[in-house]
Amino acid sequence: QVTLKESGPGILQPSQTLSLTCTFSGFSLSTYGMGVGWIRQPSGKGLEWLANIWWDDDKYYNPSLKNRLTISKDTSNNQAFLKITNVDTADTATYYCARIYYSGDGFDYWGQGVMVTVSS
Amino acid sequence: DVVLTQTPVAQPVTLGDQASISCRSSQSLVHSNGNTYLEWYLQKPGQSPQLLIYKVSNRFSGVPDRFIGSGSGSDFTLKISRVEPEDLGVYYCFQATHDPTFGSGTKLEIK
Repeated sequence: QVTLKESGPGILQPSQTLSLTCTFSGFSLSTYGMGVGWIRQPSGKGLEWLANIWWDDDKYYNPSLKNRLTISKDTSNNQAFLKITNVDTADTATYYCARIYYSGDGFDYWGQGVMVTVSS
Repeated sequence: DVVLTQTPVAQPVTLGDQASISCRSSQSLVHSNGNTYLEWYLQKPGQSPQLLIYKVSNRFSGVPDRFIGSGSGSDFTLKISRVEPEDLGVYYCFQATHDPTFGSGTKLEIK
């Protein structure tokens, strides 16, 4: 069955780089049409799409955050990654990774989310 | 940026009744390939979001047929008939036609 699990540092300081890992099973990011996306949610607030990466290494970023985001993947180890540079308190949120199988068919499986706090 | 406006912000409902949520887009969501990439998600309390509907009206595997997505262009609706307790939570629309964006959410709650 398809599972995804996010991991991250828990807490970090302003101006640092946030590194997140999504470890998944039940599918391969080398399969045609497969993708993984990152979405975040500040506590008590709505969802914000951050970035997608596809089986062919195509990458798409939220334009409002693009210069701070880097998405990547390690197909052989079934992992996807997201880096956010120069974090501040506004980046405090729960971060989710989710699978997409064919663009436009939705984020069909989600991880449980990982909480990240940016605080000095 | 494409802005998705969801109404109402909160929808009080009696169990067993129908609920309706609107999602209006600031631009047409018809892609150049003819598809309309409008999705609906439900986030139950304390859980991750879950996919309900993709491409306006296609139910994801296992989603009951009580959930019906409809609409076109920039105006979309999710109808939930015979609301059950497990339907409660926050519903989000999401568009992937342009740079992806989520709506601000509609909380389905008991009246």
